[in-house]
Amino acid sequence: GQQVMQIPQYQHVQEGEDFTTYCNSSTTLSNIQWYKQRPGGHPVFLIQLVKSGEVKKQKRLTFQFGEAKKNSSLHITATQTTDVGTYFCAGESGGGADGLTFGKGTHLIIQP
Amino acid sequence: DAGVIQSPRHEVTEMGQEVTLRCKPISGHNSLFWYRQTMMRGLELLIYFNNNVPIDDSGMPEDRFSAKMPNASFSTLKIQPSEPRDSAVYFCASSPPGHPYSPLHFGNGTRLTVT
Repeated sequence: GQQVMQIPQYQHVQEGEDFTTYCNSSTTLSNIQWYKQRPGGHPVFLIQLVKSGEVKKQKRLTFQFGEAKKNSSLHITATQTTDVGTYFCAGESGGGADGLTFGKGTHLIIQP
Repeated sequence: DAGVIQSPRHEVTEMGQEVTLRCKPISGHNSLFWYRQTMMRGLELLIYFNNNVPIDDSGMPEDRFSAKMPNASFSTLKIQPSEPRDSAVYFCASSPPGHPYSPLHFGNGTRLTVT
């Protein structure tokens, strides 16, 4: 079945440093979604990428979808303490949310 | 928008007891998902309903787990009998119709501890 691998599992950064998490799928994806989960909270939808090579930005966050639609990345510029949490990618190879497979997430720890 | 509502928030029970988790999806959403989250296995999809009909239950661990959606505003996940390895956070999520790749809206989850 479809597998979505995410690295790194943990990332410690100093406040103000940049952060990147990578997502790789064993199959070509129709779309990829990114979620953020704060400690003790629930996953919250951030963004969805659909097109090959697509790049989207949300303030300090930049999301990319690879040309082959098998990988994606999330980059945060100048991290802040509010960025703490776990970032999940979720890939889908079919035509509906029933095929959404989550990566295991990257835990971002920020040291002030 | 009240969001997806789950109850209870926390459940502590003894091995062998029956556990029922409840979920109210966002009004107007026609897809509902039950996920289980553990440190070891991450977020696992247990079962998915579309228009109250179970579509994919291949993630349900075993016969001890069952899920129902009697109407568009309510779903339950039942574990009978419960075992310590069922300890996890169980999330319910819903998504709206009309879009092929609808984002999921998660509830706050139920933290289940089986002793």
